[in-house]
Amino acid sequence: SQTIHQWPATLVQPVGSPLSLECTVEGTSNPNLYWYRQAAGRGLQLLFYSVGIGQISSEVPQNLSASRPQDRQFILSSKKLLLSDSGFYLCAWRPGQGVGYTFGSGTRLTVV
Amino acid sequence: AQSVTQLDSHVSVSEGTPVLLRCNYSSSYSPSLFWYVQHPNKGLQLLLKYTSAATLVKGINGFEAEFKKSETSFHLTKPSAHMSDAAEYFCAVTSGTYKYIFGTGTRLKVLA
Repeated sequence: SQTIHQWPATLVQPVGSPLSLECTVEGTSNPNLYWYRQAAGRGLQLLFYSVGIGQISSEVPQNLSASRPQDRQFILSSKKLLLSDSGFYLCAWRPGQGVGYTFGSGTRLTVV
Repeated sequence: AQSVTQLDSHVSVSEGTPVLLRCNYSSSYSPSLFWYVQHPNKGLQLLLKYTSAATLVKGINGFEAEFKKSETSFHLTKPSAHMSDAAEYFCAVTSGTYKYIFGTGTRLKVLA
């Protein structure tokens, strides 16, 4: 069966520090992968999506970047965190069009 | 262009009474529509989806939703609320592209 792993679950980082959040999917190949951010009291904002290794589409200009070094690995990064980067980050995957996402359990990032 | 509007940011119901969470969508093409549930500090779980088959869709935990093209709506209902239904609910739409558009969420409170 397919599973998605996302870590860490919680993270507290100082302003200006780097960030690396990792997401991996098991039990499938060539998934579409997504990073979403959920700020307090707001909906889900799509940050990046990837349809294959090395293929990254960015939805909003921001302080973050994403990479897909392997088929089932999706990494969200920042060189220098801002206070506004705080939020709940969700990784998701789906096998094809018209099929719902499967979400990871999320990472609560607090930038202090 | 696609968009989703969740008409209520908060809904309160008494345990045992019906639940109605409203979602209206806009899409240039035949949409696929989804409802997700999110418990605090957790990822999103798919409740149900509409992908151009039966307009009345049954999901998990007794939830169902009806696709009404004439009203561009996809409201989520449940005949009898349970305390465990207290959570945030998100409606999402896609029209065959790689990304989904999520609503801003409806927080459901169930009163004892």
